[in-house]
Amino acid sequence: AQTVTQSQPEMSVQEAETVTLSCTYDTSESDYYLFWYKQPPSRQMILVIRQEAYKQQNATENRFSVNFQKAAKSFSLKISDSQLGDAAMYFCAYRLGAQKLVFGQGTRLTINP
Amino acid sequence: GAVVSQHPSWVICKSGTSVKIECRSLDFQATTMFWYRQFPKQSLMLMATSNEGSKATYEQGVEKDKFLINHASLTLSTLTVTSAHPEDSSFYICSARPPGLTNTEAFFGQGTRLTVV
Repeated sequence: AQTVTQSQPEMSVQEAETVTLSCTYDTSESDYYLFWYKQPPSRQMILVIRQEAYKQQNATENRFSVNFQKAAKSFSLKISDSQLGDAAMYFCAYRLGAQKLVFGQGTRLTINP
Repeated sequence: GAVVSQHPSWVICKSGTSVKIECRSLDFQATTMFWYRQFPKQSLMLMATSNEGSKATYEQGVEKDKFLINHASLTLSTLTVTSAHPEDSSFYICSARPPGLTNTEAFFGQGTRLTVV
């Protein structure tokens, strides 16, 4: 079974600085999807960024970018120029085709003003 | 973007009663919807996959008779917590993904906070 591991329960960063959240996963498949979701205090799940495994180029969305290392099964999220509104729980997730999402344990990100 | 609406946002019920939570896809048809449960400060745990027109697929350890799922139309799935007990108190979230291409993202409802007293 596929598993997703986030080894950092909590992270903090100074406003305007850069922070990287770690995620590793385990799968025997070669074609799959990886996601980072943000869950603010409202608890609404918001998609931050996604990566298709067949693409070698790392995905970027404005201040958010990923470092996708397929061989190492690593998928970290880098947040640049951190803002107070970035404070939230961040979940890494894996999906095979149209199947269910498998979530990591989550990382609580705190932004220090 | 696509929207998934979940209702109610919060509900308090007495122990022994049943509670129904609705999940609607507002601008797309969803043949499959997913129901998650989230305990405080924990991750989302998939409870079941709701399939339109057929029986739901439950994850191991989830009681089918306890958590009834009905997906009667392409835009509505319901989760009924039957004979609720305090340990059923939790945050329940649904999600749906527009059909077709597999690279489309899943959209989540706002979640329902259930408190059983």
